Amino acid sequence: SQKIEQNSEALNIQEGKTATLTCNYTNYSPAYLQWYRQDPGRGPVFLLLIRENEKEKRKERLKVTFDTTLKQSLFHITASQPADSATYLCALDPGAGNNRKLIWGLGTSLAVNP
Amino acid sequence: DAGVIQSPRHEVTEMGQEVTLRCKPISGHNSLFWYRQTMMRGLELLIYFNNNVPIDDSGMPEDRFSAKMPNASFSTLKIQPSEPRDSAVYFCASSFRTSGANEQFFGPGTRLTVL
Repeated sequence: SQKIEQNSEALNIQEGKTATLTCNYTNYSPAYLQWYRQDPGRGPVFLLLIRENEKEKRKERLKVTFDTTLKQSLFHITASQPADSATYLCALDPGAGNNRKLIWGLGTSLAVNP
Repeated sequence: DAGVIQSPRHEVTEMGQEVTLRCKPISGHNSLFWYRQTMMRGLELLIYFNNNVPIDDSGMPEDRFSAKMPNASFSTLKIQPSEPRDSAVYFCASSFRTSGANEQFFGPGTRLTVL
């Protein structure tokens, strides 16, 4: 069956450093991989996505890589700030097709210490 | 520009009672998703609609759960009768389905507590 895993342990880093979060999956070939941010008491917020034929995508301080051979995506936040503290979720997107449901990871909690 | 609207934000009820959660998707979006989130299981898709038609309800736990989407601007998720194990945060999300990616926009959620 399809499986998606994110760093299960919380990530604590110092302000200014680069945070790297991992998303691994098995038994699936997504057309896209999406990343969301979730703050306590709120719904997830879409950040960015990467297509299966893209190696890397950037948006401001965020960078996502996608390795379909390793079945892994890495999510980087450079020059991290305390305001980046949140839970980050990855989701597999099948792309075209009648059933467009996403497959979600459990998320990784990130704490950026001042 | 309003996002996805959910009501109520919090609901506390007693076991056996009926619970109705409501959702107004973003105007123009044609897909709507109901999720349940718990610490142990994360985000679980319960059901999703495309153009008001249910496409996949395989995540609905049992017959106690039902969902409707009578028009493009409104959906309900009903639990009858409710049980303590239904306690969770329920999210509604919407998206504009195209042939491309399917990024979703979430509401603030309804925190349900069944005593």
